[in-house]
Amino acid sequence: GESVGLHLPTLSVQEGDNSIINCAYSNSASDYFIWYKQESGKGPQFIIDIRSNMDKRQGQRVTVLLNKTVKHLSLQIAATQPGDSAVYFCAEYGGTSYGKLTFGQGTILTVHP
Amino acid sequence: KAGVTQTPRYLIKTRGQQVTLSCSPISGHRSVSWYQQTPGQGLQFLFEYFSETQRNKGNFPGRFSGRQFSNSRSEMNVSTLELGDSALYLCASSPGQGAGEQYFGPGTRLTVT
Repeated sequence: GESVGLHLPTLSVQEGDNSIINCAYSNSASDYFIWYKQESGKGPQFIIDIRSNMDKRQGQRVTVLLNKTVKHLSLQIAATQPGDSAVYFCAEYGGTSYGKLTFGQGTILTVHP
Repeated sequence: KAGVTQTPRYLIKTRGQQVTLSCSPISGHRSVSWYQQTPGQGLQFLFEYFSETQRNKGNFPGRFSGRQFSNSRSEMNVSTLELGDSALYLCASSPGQGAGEQYFGPGTRLTVT
């Protein structure tokens, strides 16, 4: 059938604000989740991951929250900087699906100085 | 450690031609996954190789194929190119053993005219 272009959600914030990017995942059997950042002209860059036996994980300026009940992930970025402007993807992995990450549609984050 | 490298970075081909893309994973990584990224469909899984064996395959036609060599380097081939094959082709490497943690290369931008 005819493909329809993805209309990515967008989030605009001011420099120094905290950002929250949300993602709904599809497979209740997924046991591993990753957030990626993709800048224009580059491949996705690994930010942070979380396993399904956890509900929160913190990195440097980033926190990922996992709610398995409603199949929801969020990425929180503290003190957002202009260099954080990019497209952010969540990805899920099921242990029996070798090498296959299933990606969300992505969210465009724009940080204004 | 050097990251994932992909060659060539840009490619222009004509409908009906075939193309081969190359990927060198992070040293020590034995799993290589390939993805197609388009504005219309987002990031979609093509296939995954581990120790020269294809372990998983996405929902793409047989024109898309790949292989992995004993040094873990991988190639993917697309035969009888169609306009719709224009995309960013991304390779990701992982330590393997089913781990979802994947690190991406910069991609090969393929344009089919």
